Amino acid sequence: DQQVKQNSPSLSVQEGRISILNCDYTNSMFDYFLWYKKYPAEGPTFLISISSIKDKNEDGRFTVFLNKSAKHLSLHIVPSQPGDSAVYFCAASPNQSSGDKLTFGTGTRLAVRP
Amino acid sequence: SQTIHQWPATLVQPVGSPLSLECTVEGTSNPNLYWYRQAAGRGLQLLFYSVGIGQISSEVPQNLSASRPQDRQFILSSKKLLLSDSGFYLCAWSVRLGYTFGSGTRLTVV
Repeated sequence: DQQVKQNSPSLSVQEGRISILNCDYTNSMFDYFLWYKKYPAEGPTFLISISSIKDKNEDGRFTVFLNKSAKHLSLHIVPSQPGDSAVYFCAASPNQSSGDKLTFGTGTRLAVRP
Repeated sequence: SQTIHQWPATLVQPVGSPLSLECTVEGTSNPNLYWYRQAAGRGLQLLFYSVGIGQISSEVPQNLSASRPQDRQFILSSKKLLLSDSGFYLCAWSVRLGYTFGSGTRLTVV
């Protein structure tokens, strides 16, 4: 049972344009969400997070939006750069204040074309 | 600063051979530790997690086991590898929010 879903396995975007990566979840107990970026043969690195008390969090070129009623979150990258090409995982946790284990999505491979 | 070390980076093992992957964390105490696997075409699957020495929780039944002999050491093992054990194995730690991942081990079982 995949509780966190990324339905688009891949996405290709022109450099300078916006990249939108989507993520859906089914567990209503999730209240903290994160995005990780992963290059080949490396471990994922933390990108940005959002708590369920917010609907938007912005950090430079990266913005995460959360729609709790729809159980949907998205990551916007603007402007996209070739160095953003990587696999992006969304993850969710039921408890922000503890080190509870994260549930990851299956990932979306983003390719930014020069 | 906190760092996480995972080795080896790559490993090619024959079917039926044993496995031992090691992960150590520095700069933190009593972290939660995790082993994940990324199989080809799939996401990150949680295999084991540990909240303390000797405390191991298994998320999925499989051919692997984990141990935590010291606070900052986490070991992934197998007595006899299967072809289906091939994948990219990641160790991670957390104290409060989110994870920090190791650099991963690419395991190929032949």
